[in-house]
Amino acid sequence: GAGVSQSPSNKVTEKGKDVELRCDPISGHTALYWYRQSLGQGLEFLIYFQGNSAPDKSGLPSDRFSAERTGGSVSTLTIQRTQQEDSAVYLCASSYRQGNQPQHFGDGTRLSIL
Amino acid sequence: GNSVTQMEGPVTLSEEAFLTINCTYTATGYPSLFWYVQYPGEGLQLLLKATKADDKGSNKGFEATYRKETTSFHLEKGSVQVSDSAVYFCALSDLQGGSEKLVFGKGMKLTVNP
Repeated sequence: GAGVSQSPSNKVTEKGKDVELRCDPISGHTALYWYRQSLGQGLEFLIYFQGNSAPDKSGLPSDRFSAERTGGSVSTLTIQRTQQEDSAVYLCASSYRQGNQPQHFGDGTRLSIL
Repeated sequence: GNSVTQMEGPVTLSEEAFLTINCTYTATGYPSLFWYVQYPGEGLQLLLKATKADDKGSNKGFEATYRKETTSFHLEKGSVQVSDSAVYFCALSDLQGGSEKLVFGKGMKLTVNP
């Protein structure tokens, strides 16, 4: 079946611009996660959605970062006024409801800030 | 907070060599433990997992045992192949806040030569 789909696969933008990254989770998965993979910091958790519950935003690095999940499915991660340190690969993962279910990852969006 | 420490490499082995990648963790409670693998040009994939003490996860000839007494989850393979060349990440599920987000080690790049 279809896996987690992320778009775009690559994004190059100028410092100060806003960007939107999209994630389509696996059908039926109620939990959705965003992570960031960068050379200096490794893999870091950003935000988590589960059903209709309030999201866990504890990993968002600044208030320039936000995310939403519409209809319990597709999610969008928005970065406002991008900075060069935002350059990284942004990964989305989804899983069935909680209970030690493995997370399935998309191929990521490689974001480059010029 | 919870954390994972793993060998960072890079490591180069000859085909059919024995592989061990050390991983230790710090956590409150009893998290699930995972090994994820990232093959060149591909996304992050779950390799194996263990959900409680003394559990052994295994897949594709790789094994890891959840050792609560030493807080470790070392990855082993008796005979590596060229196709095992990848980056390997140890991770735990952080149960704080209820999100089960993953906390990753920094990853270890393995190259297997014929």
